[in-house]
Formats: sequence, C-alpha cells, structure tokens
Amino acid sequence: ELKVEQNPLFLSMQEGKNYTIYCNYSTTSDRLYWYRQDPGKSLESLFVLLSNGAVKQEGRLMASLDTKARLSTLHITAAVHDLSATYFCAVDATVTGNQFYFGTGTSLTVIP
Amino acid sequence: NAGVTQTPKFRVLKTGQSMTLLCAQDMNHEYMYWYRQDPGMGLRLIHYSVGEGTTAKGEVPDGYNVSRLKKQNFLLGLESAAPSQTSVYFCASRRLRDYSSYNEQFFGPGTRLTVL
Repeated sequence: ELKVEQNPLFLSMQEGKNYTIYCNYSTTSDRLYWYRQDPGKSLESLFVLLSNGAVKQEGRLMASLDTKARLSTLHITAAVHDLSATYFCAVDATVTGNQFYFGTGTSLTVIP
Repeated sequence: NAGVTQTPKFRVLKTGQSMTLLCAQDMNHEYMYWYRQDPGMGLRLIHYSVGEGTTAKGEVPDGYNVSRLKKQNFLLGLESAAPSQTSVYFCASRRLRDYSSYNEQFFGPGTRLTVL
C-alpha cells in the first residue's frame, strides 16, 4: 500500500524561527507537490517538484526533492504569522499515473 | 476563467436522504477527482475520472456513485446518506499527464456536508 507520511503533524513556532516539514513516501514517483490550505478554505498549489534534486523557493518557503530517499522537505525561513496554515504534500505515483496520494498534512501555527 | 466550481457550498441532510454534488471545470482538463477531507485524515480519494464517460474507484468509494457525462462536469451522488458521510468534499481537476508540464491538481472551494 502506498503511504505518504508527513511530520510533524502539528507545528507551533515563533516568528523569526526556521523549521522544516518532512514528507516521506513509499513508492516510486517522479514528481511531488506541496499545497497550502487556510482554515475553511480550499487547497492552493505551492510547489511542483519534477525531478531528483529539484529545489523551488517562494518567499520564506523552500521545497526540495530527493527521489532516491523518497523524501521531500518544506523549509520555512524566518517564519511570519501569515504562514500559519496546513501544508500537504502529495505524490503523483508513477505506477498508477492517475492518482495523487496526499499526506495527512502539517498544521503550522506561527506565534507572534 | 472560473477554474473549478462546486455546487452547493453547504448542505444538511437527514440520514437516508440522497443528494448530488456538482463539480464543473472550465480548463478543459481530462482528469477529475472527488475527495473527502476529515479532521486528522488528510484528503482521501473517493472516485476519479480520466475522461468523459469513464470513472474509477478511489480509496473510499463505498456509499458514493459518480458520473462524467460531459468532460467539464463530474457528479458525486449519495444515494442514502449516513452520518459517517459528514465531511468536506473537494473536487479537483488536472490536465492529461505528460512529462513536460506540472500537471498539478486544481481544487474547487469545497462542499461542507452534514448528515444528521
């Protein structure tokens, strides 16, 4: 069974601090997605990582992908309150090709 | 471009009632998906479609049916609603998978369903 595990599930951090969210997956995949969800809202695409070693950055968020280790990271630099949200990673499984498999999400709260 | 829209936004049903959720996309995407989101469970795939007239089961299909009669629409039906189907339902779509584009899924705003 394909598994996508995120940790931590909950993260409370102070403004200005750095932290990393981890996404491990159990199947071969050539692409990995990160989404953001604000409370009561839908999911918004943040990053698409297409190959091993891919790194994408947008503002205080940086995502990377290691397909050999089946690991993606979402690094937060100098957190601000506006980053408070739930972050999901999703794997586009090459075996099926049609489905995304989502992690359970990391609920991030940035404390002023 | 409206993207992905869902109807209705909120609904309250009594146990045993039926209803249909409508998803529409105007991006000419081939693939469409229905998910449910429950606290602490992430998103779980109910059914999906890889093209007009085709549907397939996802992780949690029991109690739901779907139809894709038109490329732009994907309907999710509950024939006899149960309290366990209380959830937030999201529809998503994406273009045909190829190796030169991102192929991310685009999500609708969600439908909040309560079954009493």
